[in-house]
Amino acid sequence: DAGVIQSPRHEVTEMGQEVTLRCKPISGHNSLFWYRQTMMRGLELLIYFNNNVPIDDSGMPEDRFSAKMPNASFSTLKIQPSEPRDSAVYFCASSLLLPAGVKEQYFGPGTRLTVT
Amino acid sequence: AQRVTQPEKLLSVFKGAPVELKCNYSYSGSPELFWYVQYSRQRLQLLLRHISRESIKGFTADLNKGETSFHLKKPFAQEEDSAMYYCALSGTGFQKLVFGTGTRLLVSP
Repeated sequence: DAGVIQSPRHEVTEMGQEVTLRCKPISGHNSLFWYRQTMMRGLELLIYFNNNVPIDDSGMPEDRFSAKMPNASFSTLKIQPSEPRDSAVYFCASSLLLPAGVKEQYFGPGTRLTVT
Repeated sequence: AQRVTQPEKLLSVFKGAPVELKCNYSYSGSPELFWYVQYSRQRLQLLLRHISRESIKGFTADLNKGETSFHLKKPFAQEEDSAMYYCALSGTGFQKLVFGTGTRLLVSP
């Protein structure tokens, strides 16, 4: 397995533009997480899904951010309109939730977003 | 509420010196604690978890419920240990991880 796949790896865009980040979780995993990493705040959970259903989106900073998971093998994080303060590295992670509650998450390589 | 505190942003040591990366947590229930590591230009990956009680790459961490701490230790640091280290907490029955802000470990020759 190639692990969690994210695209693009780097994105540079101008303020006001729409940005879409993509994630393909590990096959067979039933949970998917989106994180944002910044120097000041470290790693913050934005939203996570179980079986394609959003469970907790309390970390989504504002209405400009939205996430979808149309099927078990694909998720998107969209920012519209983007602002310079959205510049960060965005990570996607997946895991397998079992009755006992397995917590290890497998991370993708991240998307480095720069909004000018 | 769940919270993880890593008080040091940067820890710089010489090769062969002991290392301790501090992690304190706040959680009213029974926590599960983890250490994740991110080497330069690599993915964030699990280093160890407290329930496994194992040593990975010479690192160990003991959960101290009295002090609400889960410090990461290694007796003799190596240059290849230089990385960003994140402490994370999950409440019992929950899948969500709460991460600390991370500590960058720099091991100099």
